[in-house]
Amino acid sequence: DAGITQSPRYKITETGRQVTLMCHQTWSHSYMFWYRQDLGHGLRLIYYSAAADITDKGEVSDGYVVSRSKTENFPLTLESATRSQTSVYFCASSGTYGTDTQYFGPGTRLTVL
Amino acid sequence: AQSVTQLDSQVPVFEEAPVELRCNYSSSVSVYLFWYVQYPNQGLQLLLKYLSGSTLVKGINGFEAEFNKSQTSFHLRKPSVHISDTAEYFCAVSDSDDMRFGAGTRLTVKP
Repeated sequence: DAGITQSPRYKITETGRQVTLMCHQTWSHSYMFWYRQDLGHGLRLIYYSAAADITDKGEVSDGYVVSRSKTENFPLTLESATRSQTSVYFCASSGTYGTDTQYFGPGTRLTVL
Repeated sequence: AQSVTQLDSQVPVFEEAPVELRCNYSSSVSVYLFWYVQYPNQGLQLLLKYLSGSTLVKGINGFEAEFNKSQTSFHLRKPSVHISDTAEYFCAVSDSDDMRFGAGTRLTVKP
């Protein structure tokens, strides 16, 4: 089915461990995004990508790494998880940046103990 | 960079009453404006957006919003809400390469 999926939906990890969150879209959208959602802050952009092998930092990129070797996939890695990275993470995609609707995945709830 | 302020973090309202969710933005350039809705345990989905043209924008589920450039506002309205409208609503502003979301307004519709 067409859409945008995220895995896992829930993840519990420990401080210092590496964690990778997966995102896959079937629309062949050029742009993909990673956001984190925290109470009182709304959504904040972590990283975005305009195409395969093109990525750029967002507002809160420290401690995160992304890659985009294929148009449809955009994994987000926390290299050494910290408690402050406990959050709900959303992946989104769109055809262009700025005017196009962004289509969001269902989210990954990450808890860092 | 632009910024978005959603003036109410929570809005309780009774079923069939009208509702207005307020959004103000700041930007030094022309902007595009969006309202997204997030139902419990789901991702965000678009309600409506303003890109240009008529300042009154109609969206899904009976919602509408009015772009007011002089007041830098983009308030969301619905004349009669349903229980199913209970959700978190996010205003967003973007220029060509930067989108910012507000902190969200939790709308709770009571019977």
